[in-house]
This record gives sequence, C-alpha cells and structure tokens, in this order.
Amino acid sequence: NAGVTQTPKFQVLKTGQSMTLQCAQDMNHNSMYWYRQDPGMGLRLIYYSASEGTTDKGEVPNGYNVSRLNKREFSLRLESAAPSQTSVYFCASPQAYGAHTGELFFGEGSRLTVL
Amino acid sequence: KNEVEQSPQNLTAQEEEFITINCSYSVGISALHWLQQHPGGGIVSLFMLSSGKKKHGRLIATINIQEKHSSLHITASHPRDSAVYICAVRSLGGYQKVTFGTGTKLQVIP
Repeated sequence: NAGVTQTPKFQVLKTGQSMTLQCAQDMNHNSMYWYRQDPGMGLRLIYYSASEGTTDKGEVPNGYNVSRLNKREFSLRLESAAPSQTSVYFCASPQAYGAHTGELFFGEGSRLTVL
Repeated sequence: KNEVEQSPQNLTAQEEEFITINCSYSVGISALHWLQQHPGGGIVSLFMLSSGKKKHGRLIATINIQEKHSSLHITASHPRDSAVYICAVRSLGGYQKVTFGTGTKLQVIP
C-alpha cells in the first residue's frame, strides 16, 4: 500500500526551465493538494483539487499550473522556473468520511533547486 | 499574527524526559492535526483531534476547543523522537482549508 507517491525526489533546474512534479495516490481519495515548504514558514497551499476534474488556487499559485489527470494523479507544473521557487514540495491527500475530511497523507517530498 | 502558533520553536531534551509542545490557533476549526517530519524526510500524521485526548504509544495529544489550544506530549522521550512536530488546523466549511504552524524542532539527547 504505497499511499501517496511523488516524483522526482530531487531536481535542479536553471532559471527559465520547465518541469512537472508528479503525484499519485492509491487510496481512492477525492481531494489532493500541492504544498510548498520553506524554512521558517508553515506549509503553504499552492493548488488543490477537491475532486476529479476540478482544481482551485491556494495561497501561493503564481508561477504554477496543475492538472488533475484522473482520480489518482495530480501534477504540478513550473512553466518557467525562478529561484524563488526553490523549495520542498509536498503532495497530500486527505481521507474523507462523507462531507468530513480525516487524516492527511503526504508524499515524501520533492526537493527543487532553481539556479 | 499567524493563525497557528507553536511553542517552543526549538526544544532540546535529555532521553527519558517528558516533553510538551503547544499549539494555539485563532480560527474556528473542525479538526486539529499533529504531524511529524524527520530531517530530510516526509511528513507523517500522528493524530487528528476534534475534542478531548488521544494516545498512541508514548504520544498523547489533547485539545481544548474553548481555549483554542492543543498540546502534544511525549513520555519517556528517546533519540528517535528527534524530529520536527507540526500542528495544523482544518477550518470550518468550504474545502476545509488546512493551516500549518511553523513546527517545533525537537532534539532528544542520549
């Protein structure tokens, strides 16, 4: 039972390059989130998807795009990477009980450096 | 003021010490989460609370909804407990936004 899997774990980019972070969950959850974690700050929400086919902006969406490809997969794309996007990125998916959300499941994180 | 405040930010303890990490929040919530993150590692859910107290092994989490406060206790601490502990609150309504504290970095010395 893998839970939430995200790739790659590490990536170094040059300013202006593009890349996609992949996330997949095998728990049949409806919701999926992308967060970034920076030193001295709590995790901040970039984008979320409440269900297959829907995506919405979080707190810090600028410079990112997302795709909810199907119920399992939620990808995060950096079209033109900037040094300010150097961060650790986490994909997460909450358990749900009807209208209520439960425990949070996280991927192992993707450490991105933009030079 | 952040919606979720944790204290202390850093904590060093001797092995076997009783440890308390505090979390205060300022919004109405449907649940509070305690998470653990080891250095360079992923984030693992320890507890989800909406009232009262939960215990798992040497870990105990409590919440006081009226006072908007939660504590995470570790009994008989061990070096393997060294990690960052993160408090997060799930707000009421909408997509139930989750707001995270900045974490408490715990080091347990043998």
